[in-house]
Amino acid sequence: DTGVSQDPRHKITKRGQNVTFRCDPISEHNRLYWYRQTLGQGPEFLTYFQNEAQLEKSRLLSDRFSAERPKGSFSTLEIQRTEQGDSAMYLCASSSDRGSGNTIYFGEGSWLTVV
Amino acid sequence: QKEVEQDPGPLSVPEGAIVSLNCTYSNSAFQYFMWYRQYSRKGPELLMYTYSSGNKEDGRFTAQVDKSSKYISLFIRDSQPSDSATYLCAMNKAAGNKLTFGGGTRVLVKP
Repeated sequence: DTGVSQDPRHKITKRGQNVTFRCDPISEHNRLYWYRQTLGQGPEFLTYFQNEAQLEKSRLLSDRFSAERPKGSFSTLEIQRTEQGDSAMYLCASSSDRGSGNTIYFGEGSWLTVV
Repeated sequence: QKEVEQDPGPLSVPEGAIVSLNCTYSNSAFQYFMWYRQYSRKGPELLMYTYSSGNKEDGRFTAQVDKSSKYISLFIRDSQPSDSATYLCAMNKAAGNKLTFGGGTRVLVKP
């Protein structure tokens, strides 16, 4: 079990550029979550997938943000036309609906800096 | 007002002391309660998970939930410098649902 894997770990981009983050969940975890965390704050929920279906989206997820999970495996989070306010750590998490179904594991995060 | 409130600290304690952390929440629908530890520039690591009211102990860690008061606590016994981190409480309404986090409490354990 290699844990939740995120790539890239760090990204510096110019305002207006598009960026994409990838998340590989723990093997056989059918639930996948994206969160955003800014310095000094707790993570904030962005969106949630069960298998390939996107079941919930936060109001924080503006139309510049899109998340996909093709085939219910890895997921991507794309931010279009980045703004300085998008600078944050983007966290991916996963869990399984087996057992207690509520043990949610996080990856190490992808840091985004928009300059 | 945020749904989950947590004192940001920093909370500074000498090595070997008991660290006492807590969160309050406003939504009575929360049923599941977690504590995560987060080191600087790392992802959150799950420490404790409890369902509904009661106590749970795991090694040096004890989690308490009082749903009637909407108050949860985490105690760390025999604290070590390696316990220096930010501690996040989190909760959800049903298994697998999105987590709602507190803002985190920064803890410093001094040798």
